[in-house]
Amino acid sequence: GAVVSQHPSRVICKSGTSVKIECRSLDFQATTMFWYRQFPKQSLMLMATSNEGSKATYEQGVEKDKFLINHASLTLSTLTVTSAHPEDSSFYICSADGTGYTFGSGTRLTVV
Amino acid sequence: DAKTTQPPSMDCAEGRAANLPCNHSTISGNEYVYWYRQIHSQGPQYIIHGLKNNETNEMASLIITEDRKSSTLILPHATLRDTAVYYCIVRVANRDDKIIFGKGTRLHILP
Repeated sequence: GAVVSQHPSRVICKSGTSVKIECRSLDFQATTMFWYRQFPKQSLMLMATSNEGSKATYEQGVEKDKFLINHASLTLSTLTVTSAHPEDSSFYICSADGTGYTFGSGTRLTVV
Repeated sequence: DAKTTQPPSMDCAEGRAANLPCNHSTISGNEYVYWYRQIHSQGPQYIIHGLKNNETNEMASLIITEDRKSSTLILPHATLRDTAVYYCIVRVANRDDKIIFGKGTRLHILP
């Protein structure tokens, strides 16, 4: 079945630095990928839709300059959290639509 | 906003069938019912989906009412590893259509 690989699984960074999270579709091509954020004991919240070769579409309230999305190939989308602060600490999850809607294993970001 | 309503939590004894309900009264004719689950600190896992007929796979069964306004996910013999948050979602089956998650049902399997 379709596999989405997400890396890293967890990362700790200092406040003010930037962090890049990668999402790869391993055995299929994905013109569209999705990025979610999840705070403890809450549901997944859609942040943005990543479109290969074009600009990402951000959901209302999500800062596009804060969360940079690049989808340069049909198998890779990246999310960069710029100038991270403790309130950006969260669980970030990507997904892509292969034979079904497949999710990555998530990235636990802790900003200290 | 999510188009589905689920109870926030449920308990089920290990070895028994877990029946998780979902209301989707505004579902459109071309929208499918999908179920995912999320085990703690992992990405969501696909379980099953259906349009109007009942569906069964190795993980679960999906029962959709005739009017398609509600459905039930059945885990036939629940184990402790089935403890998770279960999400019922309606969406069209086209690729690239985003999924909006509701709050889901937190299922506790009791030993």
